Amino acid sequence: SAVISQKPSRDICQRGTSLTIQCQVDSQVTMMFWYRQQPGQSLTLIATANQGSEATYESGFVIDKFPISRPNLTFSTLTVSNMSPEDSSIYLCSVGGTGNTEAFFGQGTRLTVV
Amino acid sequence: QKEVEQNSGPLSVPEGAIASLNCTYSDRVSQSFFWYRQYSGKSPELIMSIYSNGDKEDGRFTAQLNKASQYVSLLIRDSQPSDSATYLCAVARRALTFGSGTRLQVQP
Repeated sequence: SAVISQKPSRDICQRGTSLTIQCQVDSQVTMMFWYRQQPGQSLTLIATANQGSEATYESGFVIDKFPISRPNLTFSTLTVSNMSPEDSSIYLCSVGGTGNTEAFFGQGTRLTVV
Repeated sequence: QKEVEQNSGPLSVPEGAIASLNCTYSDRVSQSFFWYRQYSGKSPELIMSIYSNGDKEDGRFTAQLNKASQYVSLLIRDSQPSDSATYLCAVARRALTFGSGTRLQVQP
């Protein structure tokens, strides 16, 4: 199984600011995924990050709000831009889960916007 | 219709009993199926994966898949209070789609 390190683990941010979340994997992976888990809800896919190309965003998520970088095969960042209290969620980085591969998650970033 | 449906619960079972968790999915071409356990404030932890029809057992856990009925289940035998958590069913094509989760409470 992959070991995924995500940071920060939590943050409290002022509305209108941006936060960048980092995700480091201990092995090279083609695709990395970013999920959001709103309070009391299940996980929703934000985007898929491929190395060397632009991220693919799911319906309801846009690049201006959630820019993603994928500079190499072990690292990705997700930025939550111009935050509002509605962005308060847990953000999770994941690898695997395509084809017949198991998916594993980082420990998550608990974001509170005040 | 949601892509992955689960009963939100809570499902309450006494300690030592069998807990049965169910999940249906809508996409017939889904290839992989997973059960995750999530404790409050923690990230999801993989419990079981299943890729073909039938049963798959791992310790106290058994996953069952019926692709014709588009149905996945998880049985937890000899339930323990430490099993109390939210169980997420996930279905994979190009990425995971999660159900809303079933909250399990095991009563001592």
